[in-house]
Parts: sequence; C-alpha cells; structure tokens
Amino acid sequence: EVQLVESGGGLIQPGGSLRLSCAASGFTVSSNYMSWVRQAPGKGLEWVSVIYSGGTANYADSVKGRFTISRDNSKNTLNLQMNSLRAEDTAVYYCARMIPVSGYEDWGQGTLVTVSS
Amino acid sequence: QSVLTQPPSASGTPGQRVTISCSGSSFNIGSNYVYWYQQLPGTAPKPLIYRNNQRPSGVPDRFSGSKSGTSASLAISGLRSEDEADYYCAAWDDSLSGRVFGGGTKLTVL
Repeated sequence: EVQLVESGGGLIQPGGSLRLSCAASGFTVSSNYMSWVRQAPGKGLEWVSVIYSGGTANYADSVKGRFTISRDNSKNTLNLQMNSLRAEDTAVYYCARMIPVSGYEDWGQGTLVTVSS
Repeated sequence: QSVLTQPPSASGTPGQRVTISCSGSSFNIGSNYVYWYQQLPGTAPKPLIYRNNQRPSGVPDRFSGSKSGTSASLAISGLRSEDEADYYCAAWDDSLSGRVFGGGTKLTVL
C-alpha cells in the first residue's frame, strides 16, 4: 500500500528555517516525480516544487532561491528545506508522487507550517 | 489570481449532472494533461482525474473529465450529498516551468 507521511511542520518566526520531510512507503521515491504543494488557510492549492526521477528540480517563483527540494534515497524520503521564511509561506504543505509513465498520483495528508512572530 | 480559471461556485440537486469548467492557455491546458482534485472539508486533496480523463481506482464512474483546446471540464453525474466539496483543476505550464492550479470551485448539493 502506498503511503506518504509528511512531518516537520510547526510554528517558526519570520526569517527562520524549517525542514519538511515526507516518508514514503510502498514505492521508491527516486523512481517517481515527487512534488510539494501548499495551501494557505482558506485559500486554494499552490504548487511549490518538483524533483524528477533524474534529479532535476523546478520551483515556483514565490519560493525560488529560498526553498530546496531533495531526496534521501537511503530513507526513501522527500525533503523540503525552507529558508528565509515569510508570513505568506504559512500553509499546509502536501507531498505528492506521480508515476512518470501513467501520470497516476498519490498525495499525503499534509503538515502545517505557521510563520509568525 | 490563478493561472487557470474556474467558477468559484457550482450547485445542483441530488441526481443532477453538473459540470465544472477550467480555462487556461496554449502554455498549459492547450499543450499538457489536465488533472482534477476533490477536497472534502478539512481533508487533503484527493486525485479525481488524471491525464485529462483517467480515473484512479476507487473513483466512481460518475466522475468524468474532458479537454478541448485550452479548456477542460469535470462532469459529475448522479449528484450525491457526499460530492459536496472543493474541486481544483491543474496542469503543467510550459512558460512558467511549473504546475498551475485553478482557484477552486465550491460545489454545493442543494
């Protein structure tokens, strides 16, 4: 059974850093397209970043230069290093995987990040 | 303002058929697959349609997706009270080199 479990969220002051993790089971992270999508309170979905099976990554303009997506193949985990956090980064962060050949997706349950002083 | 345009709300009565539209451009819907998600209150988004019209296992065939040019639609037939949720469309955007979402449509079952 495929499972995606996010962790690492919490309350952080503006300008601070936080590292989110997404523990995957039932599939191999490095063989799939792995993404982060966020949702601010009461708002819609916003794509944050993707890392492809080959290792290439893309970022939304709103986080480029501040966030870094990565994989830990030994732990089968997806990570998101978030630096220089702003109030507008406050959101529930979801990780998702897409099977490259079929386009089929699975999503996690999300972890809440609150940036506030 | 979202790159993909959806109506903010839609409604229908039980048993009815409703459609939700998603409008984009040649950079996104016009040249890439469309995805649809259902988000029930207080829960994570659930993939509903992938690659324009494919349903994941477990999604009832009451849900169907279609695409034409730079627009896409989600149709829900035999509307049920449990279909009351927010629905989002998404597609890759070649000009932004990123995924874009619609603003979401809140479906109310009257």
